[in-house]
Amino acid sequence: EVQLVQSGAEVKKPGESLKISCKGSGYSFTSYWIGWVRQMPGKGLEWMGIIYPGDSDTRYSPSFQGQVTISADKSISTAYLQWSSLKASDTAMYYCARVSAAAGHAFDYWGQGTLVTVSS
Amino acid sequence: QSALTQPASVSGSPGQSITISCTGTSSDVGSYNLVSWYQQHPGKAPKLMIYEVSKRPSGVSNRFSGSKSGNTASLTISGLQAEDEADYYCCSYAGSVVFGGGTKLTVL
Repeated sequence: EVQLVQSGAEVKKPGESLKISCKGSGYSFTSYWIGWVRQMPGKGLEWMGIIYPGDSDTRYSPSFQGQVTISADKSISTAYLQWSSLKASDTAMYYCARVSAAAGHAFDYWGQGTLVTVSS
Repeated sequence: QSALTQPASVSGSPGQSITISCTGTSSDVGSYNLVSWYQQHPGKAPKLMIYEVSKRPSGVSNRFSGSKSGNTASLTISGLQAEDEADYYCCSYAGSVVFGGGTKLTVL
């Protein structure tokens, strides 16, 4: 069974750093792109970027380039999303999702989401 | 890339059919048959309902169907059920990914 399990909710202060994770299981982690999607409170889905764990090739949405870093450790089948200096506007739910080339690059499996709250 | 355009809300009665539109441009929706649709219930992760414009993943009800004409893709849900009440998002892959703004479906 394909599963993406994300790390737990975080409460941080502005200016702090953060790294959240997404662990894949039940499939070949190095053979599928993993994407990250932001959902701000009461708002829609926003694509942040994707990574191919096989070779760490990474693509960012122009809206998020320079704002976050996406990485992966294929040895433990885990993708990461990190911030070096959080802002209140980073408060959101963050989802990781598997990209299926066989399904037209759709996101076929999703993690449960990680809620990040940034508040002083 | 700008977000794809969806109606903010649609509604229908049980048993009826509804259609949600998703308008992009000739650079995304119009150029590729790589449109997908996601259902999201409150407090839950999105779920893939349609990929490549009109294909259903295993386990998705055949009450859900997709189509495309020009720069506009559509999701149709027939035989509406209470459990269909959710937010729906379209998505286009054209080198990069762009989502629609989302449509809230209310089952009256």
